[in-house]
Amino acid sequence: GENVEQHPSTLSVQEGDSAVIKCTYSDSASNYFPWYKQELGKRPQLIIDIRSNVGEKKDQRIAVTLNKTAKHFSLHITETQPEDSAVYFCAATPGGFKTIFGAGTRLFVKA
Amino acid sequence: SAVISQKPSRDICQRGTSLTIQCQVDSQVTMMFWYRQQPGQSLTLIATANQGSEATYESGFVIDKFPISRPNLTFSTLTVSNMSPEDSSIYLCSVGGVLAGSTDTQYFGPGTRLTVL
Repeated sequence: GENVEQHPSTLSVQEGDSAVIKCTYSDSASNYFPWYKQELGKRPQLIIDIRSNVGEKKDQRIAVTLNKTAKHFSLHITETQPEDSAVYFCAATPGGFKTIFGAGTRLFVKA
Repeated sequence: SAVISQKPSRDICQRGTSLTIQCQVDSQVTMMFWYRQQPGQSLTLIATANQGSEATYESGFVIDKFPISRPNLTFSTLTVSNMSPEDSSIYLCSVGGVLAGSTDTQYFGPGTRLTVL
């Protein structure tokens, strides 16, 4: 079955710097890759997603890139702000809505 | 996106008892899922709730421990049976495939925080 690995587990950046979180997946049938942000005590919220027919997608300060050949995808957050501090989960969907989540990255943005 | 509610939001239960968690969506959805999230951990899929048929369980989860119902396209329940302290966790429902606009994105409910003493 699908396996998603996520790195780093913890990331600390200075406000205004960029943050990059990387994920790899194992199942070449995966065709949809969402990213979720989970603030303390709250539900995971979708922040951006990318499909396998697209190499990059951007939404304001957030961008995601996908390399199908290498089976890895990354989340890029530019001009980080303290409110970006949260746990971020990458995920891969091999089809049929079933979604496999990475272990999560705890991002700290220091003011 | 769909509006998803869960009841209860939290509970403290005695070992050996059972708790039923409800998940309600404000629109019809194709898929409903139940996840468990232990403190500081990722999301682990328990099962897919199938409308009108038995749920599909992931490895390590069984129907006797986690019976699931899905009587229609907007509602599902998860029961945690014969609870032990190891069942203390956050239980989240998620929905996908909103019928009004087909999508494979999952949206999560607010979660139920369960503590078993």
